[in-house]
Amino acid sequence: EAEVAQSPRYKITEKSQAVAFWCDPISGHATLYWYRQILGQGPELLVQFQDESVVDDSQLPKDRFSAERLKGVDSTLKIQPAELGDSAMYLCASSSLGQGFDQETQYFGPGTRLLVL
Amino acid sequence: SQQGEEDPQALSIQEGENATMNCSYKTSINNLQWYRQNSGRGLVHLILIRSNEREKHSGRLRVTLDTSKKSSSLLITASRAADTASYFCATDLSQGNLIFGKGTKLSVKP
Repeated sequence: EAEVAQSPRYKITEKSQAVAFWCDPISGHATLYWYRQILGQGPELLVQFQDESVVDDSQLPKDRFSAERLKGVDSTLKIQPAELGDSAMYLCASSSLGQGFDQETQYFGPGTRLLVL
Repeated sequence: SQQGEEDPQALSIQEGENATMNCSYKTSINNLQWYRQNSGRGLVHLILIRSNEREKHSGRLRVTLDTSKKSSSLLITASRAADTASYFCATDLSQGNLIFGKGTKLSVKP
């Protein structure tokens, strides 16, 4: 069964350092999402891509966060510099939004757990 | 901002019992979805109910939607220890933009 891949699974970094997370969506899914989930909370959308274009990045702290999906397939989320408050789980999801059947269902990867010291 | 609020925050039951979780939301929706998350893992989609539907079933899951009260409920029948997880409702306002609640933590004791 096709899955969303994410790496690394765990990342420990010191504040002010740069970190990057990678996501490979389910093959053929045009829509890709990055979420941040703080412990004990639900996921919050950071950025949504349709192919290589950003659809929604209104909740992305753009002074330190950036996201790209250059070829409309895999994606990278970067934080520079990392702050203590960035410690969270970063989840990637993909969907076939606009592509027909089951388009609203989002399929999530296992996440990257970030700890900033 | 979080649109959905699940209730209760935590639920502990015995295996074989039914578990009911509720979700309330604030604005009009296209659909409402329920997801499960095992500890430290990604979310798994359980069921989607559209704004023009009132009830939907999938295996041991039953979801209801009352758009007049802006609320939904998830019923898990004959619960198993493997159902232990956090359950989130997510409202789809448009274009697949999901807004998640804080979740209900379900513990099913063998």
